[in-house]
Formats: sequence, C-alpha cells, structure tokens
Amino acid sequence: KQEVTQIPAALSVPEGENLVLNCSFTDSAIYNLQWFRQDPGKGLTSLLLIQSSQREQTSGRLNASLDKSSGRSTLYIAASQPGDSATYLCAVDNNDMRFGAGTRLTVKP
Amino acid sequence: EPEVTQTPSHQVTQMGQEVILRCVPISNHLYFYWYRQILGQKVEFLVSFYNNEISEKSEIFDDQFSVERPDGSNFTLKIRSTKLEDSAMYFCASSPTGGIIGEYFGPGTRLTVT
Repeated sequence: KQEVTQIPAALSVPEGENLVLNCSFTDSAIYNLQWFRQDPGKGLTSLLLIQSSQREQTSGRLNASLDKSSGRSTLYIAASQPGDSATYLCAVDNNDMRFGAGTRLTVKP
Repeated sequence: EPEVTQTPSHQVTQMGQEVILRCVPISNHLYFYWYRQILGQKVEFLVSFYNNEISEKSEIFDDQFSVERPDGSNFTLKIRSTKLEDSAMYFCASSPTGGIIGEYFGPGTRLTVT
C-alpha cells in the first residue's frame, strides 16, 4: 500500500527566503506526482505535475523534482512571499491518488 | 480552461439523512474520482469510476456510499444515512487517461452533518 510522507509538517520562514519541501513515497511504480496548494478551508490548486518519466518541472518561482527510484520529490520555492502561505500537499498517482498530510507554510513579512 | 465543478459548495444535513453530492467532470474525461478530507486530516481516496462502473474503492467506501453517472455530464456521490463522522470536504476529480497525465480536481463540497 502506497504511503506518502511529507516533511516538515510545518515551516515558518521570513519573506524572501528560498525553501524546500520534501515528499517521500513507498511504492515507486507511479504514473505521476503532483504538488498542490491548499488554503485554509479551500480546495486543491494544482501547482506542478511531474510524470514518471520526468525529473523536474518548473513554474515561475516553483521547481519540483522527482527521483522515482528513491521515492522522493522536493518542491523548491524561490524568494518566498507572504502570499505563499498555505498548506502544500504532495500526491502520487498509481491508479488513484494518495496524498501526504501536507506541509503548512507560513511566510512572515 | 475547462474545469471540474461541484455543487453545492456547502451542504448541511442531519444525521441519518441521505445526501447527494454532485460533480460535473471535464467533458472529454473518462475517469472519475471522489476523495474526502476530514478537517485537519489527509485527503483520502474514496472511489474511482470508469466505463460506468467502479474500478477501485477504498476501505472507507462502504455500503452507505454509492456513485452514479446518471447522464452524460454528472457524476454523483450518494451517502445513504449520514453519520457525524461523514462531515468532511468532498472533492471530485476527473482525468482523460486514468491518471497518467494527472487528475483535475473540483473545488469541493463541504458536508456538515449535525
């Protein structure tokens, strides 16, 4: 059974810092991995999707990497802003999506 | 850009009542999913649906749950007799390819059982 773990559970940084969120998963036979953002009480906003054959994806200040063989992904956020404050969820897809518990990020002005 | 829609955005119901949560997937998608997120907890897979039948379901998806695609556009989740612990955000998702290029999530329905 696929298990997805995200570290750290919470992170607080000053504005402008670069930061890395970590995701690990136990079954490497995945179709893809997605990073989502969730604001309190709200839905899921897809940030980046990395297919199993890919190593990384970039969108603006976000960069996600995937090392399928070791069961790891990282989400790099450059020059963090207070508007980046949210919970970031990692999810892996092998027929259905399994989510991590998320990292709650606070960026202080 | 096409998107998955869900109605209602918030549903309040009394324990023991039946509820139907509605989703309109993206029109050319073939795979449909329901997930739930209890407040403060992980997003959990409930069920996947393809070719008019359930393709996979989790241990959460017991006999009180059912899904249906009553017409060409809607995808519904029915909870027959709601319990307090069914209170959660329910997300619908759809995919054109069964997950290979990802699933597209709706905004969710917040279900509150009192």
